[in-house]
Amino acid sequence: SQTIHQWPATLVQPVGSPLSLECTVEGTSNPNLYWYRQAAGRGLQLLFYSVGIGQISSEVPQNLSASRPQDRQFILSSKKLLLSDSGFYLCAWSLAQGASAEAFFGQGTRLTVV
Amino acid sequence: DAKTTQPPSMDCAEGRAANLPCNHSTISGNEYVYWYRQIHSQGPQYIIHGLKNNETNEMASLIITEDRKSSTLILPHATLRDTAVYYCIANYGGSQGNLIFGKGTKLSVKP
Repeated sequence: SQTIHQWPATLVQPVGSPLSLECTVEGTSNPNLYWYRQAAGRGLQLLFYSVGIGQISSEVPQNLSASRPQDRQFILSSKKLLLSDSGFYLCAWSLAQGASAEAFFGQGTRLTVV
Repeated sequence: DAKTTQPPSMDCAEGRAANLPCNHSTISGNEYVYWYRQIHSQGPQYIIHGLKNNETNEMASLIITEDRKSSTLILPHATLRDTAVYYCIANYGGSQGNLIFGKGTKLSVKP
C-alpha cells in the first residue's frame, strides 16, 4: 500500500533562517507531488506541484522553492524565512496516469516563524 | 479549473443526514467533481469523486445534477467525528490536474 511521510511535524524557526521540509512517498512510482500551505483560519493554497524528477511548477511567487531530486522525494525550501511563511504545510501525491486521481495528503508540518 | 462555491458553514444533528451543496456552473465536460474533508490540524482526506453519474462509497454519496452545474455530498448518518471543513473541487485529475482548494464548508455536527 502507498504511504506518504512528511517531517518534521512541528517546527519553530527564527526570521531569516533557512528551511527544508521533506516529503517521501512509498509504494508507488512516478506520482504527481504537491506542496500546499494553509495559513491560520484560511483555506489550502497550492504552492508547487511536480509531474516528474526535476519538473517543478510554481503557483504562487514567493521566497519558497521546491525540488524533486528523486521520483518519490519532494523538498520545500527557503533561504530566508519571513514571518508570513508561518503556516501549516502539507505534502500530497496523486497518480500521474488515469482518468481521475484522488490526492493523498501527509499529516503536515506546522511552521512557526518567530 | 472550474471554480466552485460552497456555503461557509452548516450545522447538522448527530444521526441525521448531512447534505452539503456545491455549485460549479463553469465546469467543463472532462472535469471531475472531488470532495475532500479536513479535520482540524490534519491533512485533507479524500471522500469521493464523480464525473456524471451519482456515486456512493462507504463514506458518502455524491449526487451530480444532470447539467453538472452543481452537486451535493451526502453523509447519510452524521456523527460527531464528521465535524470538519468539506471541500468541493472541480478538476481534470490525472497528470493534467492539480487540486485547487476553496474555502470549503465548515460542517458542525451537534449532539
